[in-house]
Amino acid sequence: QSALTQSASVSGSPGQSITISCTGTSSDVGGHNYVSWYQQHPGKAPKLMIYDVSNRPSGVSNRFSGSKSGNTASLTISGLQAEDEADYYCSSYTSSSSYVFGTGTKVTV
Amino acid sequence: QVQLQESGPGLVKPSETLSLTCTVSGYSISGGYYWGWIRQPPGKGLEWIGHMYPNGNTYYNPSLKSRVSISLDTSKNQFSLKLSSVTAADTAVYYCARVASGWYCDSWGQGTLVTVSS
Repeated sequence: QSALTQSASVSGSPGQSITISCTGTSSDVGGHNYVSWYQQHPGKAPKLMIYDVSNRPSGVSNRFSGSKSGNTASLTISGLQAEDEADYYCSSYTSSSSYVFGTGTKVTV
Repeated sequence: QVQLQESGPGLVKPSETLSLTCTVSGYSISGGYYWGWIRQPPGKGLEWIGHMYPNGNTYYNPSLKSRVSISLDTSKNQFSLKLSSVTAADTAVYYCARVASGWYCDSWGQGTLVTVSS
């Protein structure tokens, strides 16, 4: 199985909004609503930010939102803050009962 | 609040079997979640290894399926990973995680670095 495709890096100024895209196929992102997003700071474990395309776990800021169109999922961070600087990974269930992560996007504030 | 902690050797020789254990506190692994493993080679992205449900249903990354085994020990509230015939390419930080029915990892261990070297 191939990793989902993410842009390598995205940057923005404090207060701005940025969007990270995650492109897959009809067998993964496009075929299911089991898309999730993780934030990872250097040397730390990943943290769940979005699940089931657009749901936020308790405690995650509402500045983070998720969506999906066709085979591409997106994570939008609004009101960008310095603490948002991290790596972000998407992931998806696949039709072969497997799981795949994206290639990762480095967000610079 | 569920907590997960990985443990095991930090150094494994090539061709040997990597064995890690994840100890779970604050939640019974017999409950309604899967329990899984993810790894991250130094400086690279995340790779799903596999996960298991308490009823025995197990799902593995096709690229690792021939070498990997995950098991649960409900008496100790632990689950384990075994990866056989390791090479330098298996050097990574290994994370254990609780996996919800929507196949997302809602709780993670801190990770443990395993180096494959002679």
